[in-house]
Amino acid sequence: QITLKESGPTLVKPTQTLTLTCTFSGFSLSTSGVGVGWIRQPPGKALEWLALIYWNDDKRYSPSLKSRLTITKDTSKNQVVLTMTNMDPVDTATYYCAHSHCTNGVCYGYWGQGTLVTVSS
Amino acid sequence: QSVLTQPPSVSGAPGQRVTISCTGTSSNIGAGYDVHWYQQLPGTAPKLLIYGNTHRPSGVPDRFSGSASDTSASLAITGLQAEDEATYYCQSYDSSLSEVFGGGTKLTVL
Repeated sequence: QITLKESGPTLVKPTQTLTLTCTFSGFSLSTSGVGVGWIRQPPGKALEWLALIYWNDDKRYSPSLKSRLTITKDTSKNQVVLTMTNMDPVDTATYYCAHSHCTNGVCYGYWGQGTLVTVSS
Repeated sequence: QSVLTQPPSVSGAPGQRVTISCTGTSSNIGAGYDVHWYQQLPGTAPKLLIYGNTHRPSGVPDRFSGSASDTSASLAITGLQAEDEATYYCQSYDSSLSEVFGGGTKLTVL
């Protein structure tokens, strides 16, 4: 079955760079049409889409955060890495990675459990 | 605020039918992009409930249904059960913003 799990620091200081890793199993990110995305959720707030990487290395970013985000994949390790620069307390959130393989567009059928990242000095 | 507008809350008694709306614009739902729905129980990751406007993933009860028309979409839940109490999110693509989520709707089962 498909599983995903996020890992990374739980606490980062303002201005630091956050690096999160999504380690997955049950699918290959070299399969046509497959993507892995990152979505975050500040405490008590709504979901916010961040980035997506496709099987063919096509990358998409939230326009409002594009300058701060980088998404990469390591197909051999079954991992996707998201980096976010210049972290701020408003970036405190639970960060999820999720698998997408929808016929039309992007929809996330499998999600990781999420990892809470707190930005504080 | 979110590009896709959802009511903050809805409620219904057990057994009743409720609908949750997701209102977009001509650059997302109105442009023909698919709408997907997620259910998020407290303290858990979202779960895909409806994809491609109307399709249910395997294992999702047929009490849940989706529709889309013009610039809006709806999620309907019939035979409301206590376990349906959760927050529901719509998601689509916006031609200027890429993937977008609605602000979420908290469903209370009375």
